Amino acid sequence: RKEVEQDPGPFNVPEGATVAFNCTYSNSASQSFFWYRQDCRKEPKLLMSVYSSGNEDGRFTAQLNRASQYISLLIRDSKLSDSATYLCVVKLTGGGNKLTFGTGTNLKVEI
Amino acid sequence: EAQVTQNPRYLITVTGKKLTVTCSQNMNHEYMSWYRQDPGLGLRQIYYSMNVEVTDKGDVPEGYKVSRKEKRNFPLILESPSPNQTSLYFCASSLSYIEGYEAFFGQGTRLTVV
Repeated sequence: RKEVEQDPGPFNVPEGATVAFNCTYSNSASQSFFWYRQDCRKEPKLLMSVYSSGNEDGRFTAQLNRASQYISLLIRDSKLSDSATYLCVVKLTGGGNKLTFGTGTNLKVEI
Repeated sequence: EAQVTQNPRYLITVTGKKLTVTCSQNMNHEYMSWYRQDPGLGLRQIYYSMNVEVTDKGDVPEGYKVSRKEKRNFPLILESPSPNQTSLYFCASSLSYIEGYEAFFGQGTRLTVV
């Protein structure tokens, strides 16, 4: 079983739609959680950290469920510019700040 | 401008010819690491460094070497490249290894070994 699992997609949605991605992680010792965005094989960039209480940044909402070991990302009012691959990232306690990446979920927002 | 710089961006080489991919950051970050990205496998950590002269293996270190003689530089060395090392490589840095600080990535090096 992969340490971090995501549905690869693609998710094809119309502009203005709300779309949600889920990610599950296998190691209960995981400490920190993030969503990174990657455009067309360019470098990944931090989209947002995920906190236990849930957090929101504009149209983006991230939530963490430690009991079920999953993380979610909700994007409201999708824009064409949201088209990218979204990487779920988990950091374990210790281990030298090793980030474990999911394989990513591909989103295509269409007119 | 705060950044992580990798060179070269693209490289085609032949099996067995030693090569070095350079990585430099200007943010005074303690922690640096190398990843490779392959279709269906995501990013996998090759090596990491928690500070100058401190390096350790990641998940897929075989066939690679690194060094950290200065804080800003973290080169990746392939002593004898093989075709299975054809991949997209990213260098990353973050302020510290202790907490979940944001990782900043270089623009990537697309390596092809023939």
